[in-house]
Amino acid sequence: DTGVSQDPRHKITKRGQNVTFRCDPISEHNRLYWYRQTLGQGPEFLTYFQNEAQLEKSRLLSDRFSAERPKGSFSTLEIQRTEQGDSAMYLCASSRPGQDYGYTFGSGTRLTVV
Amino acid sequence: QKEVEQNSGPLSVPEGAIASLNCTYSDRVSQSFFWYRQYSGKSPELIMSIYSNGDKEDGRFTAQLNKASQYVSLLIRDSQPSDSATYLCAVSHPGNTPLVFGKGTRLSVIA
Repeated sequence: DTGVSQDPRHKITKRGQNVTFRCDPISEHNRLYWYRQTLGQGPEFLTYFQNEAQLEKSRLLSDRFSAERPKGSFSTLEIQRTEQGDSAMYLCASSRPGQDYGYTFGSGTRLTVV
Repeated sequence: QKEVEQNSGPLSVPEGAIASLNCTYSDRVSQSFFWYRQYSGKSPELIMSIYSNGDKEDGRFTAQLNKASQYVSLLIRDSQPSDSATYLCAVSHPGNTPLVFGKGTRLSVIA
């Protein structure tokens, strides 16, 4: 069990640029979640996958955000035409199916849009 | 009204005391409840989960759930300075829906 890996750890980008983040979940976890967290707030749900299927997207997620999980393994989250309001910590988590299992979070990717 | 409410704190307790952290939720169908600890600049880590009314103990931590009153709490006995962190309450609904988090309570344990 190597944990949930996220890459990069930090990303500074200019407004209007596109960015992509990667998440590698724990291998036996078939569920993968993306959350966003800003200072002083709890994690906010963005989207999640069960295997390769994207099962739910937050209504707050604009069309500039897209996520994929090809082959049900790693996942990518892309933000197009970044805005300063996108600056946040982007957290990936994975879990086994079933209510008894909490999530294991990765270390997060901190995005700063300048 | 947010679905999961927590007092943002800070909650300050002396070393060795019991820290009591509270969380209320608005949706009666909420089914699973979790407490996470988050150190500054780090990601959340799972402390405890609880699904049935009553108390659940794990070491110095006790989670309490009261579904009739729609609250869940976390007690930390013999608080240590290393317990100083933000504690996040999270709930999910039937069907194993994604967790909804509160904004967290910042705990400060004073040596």
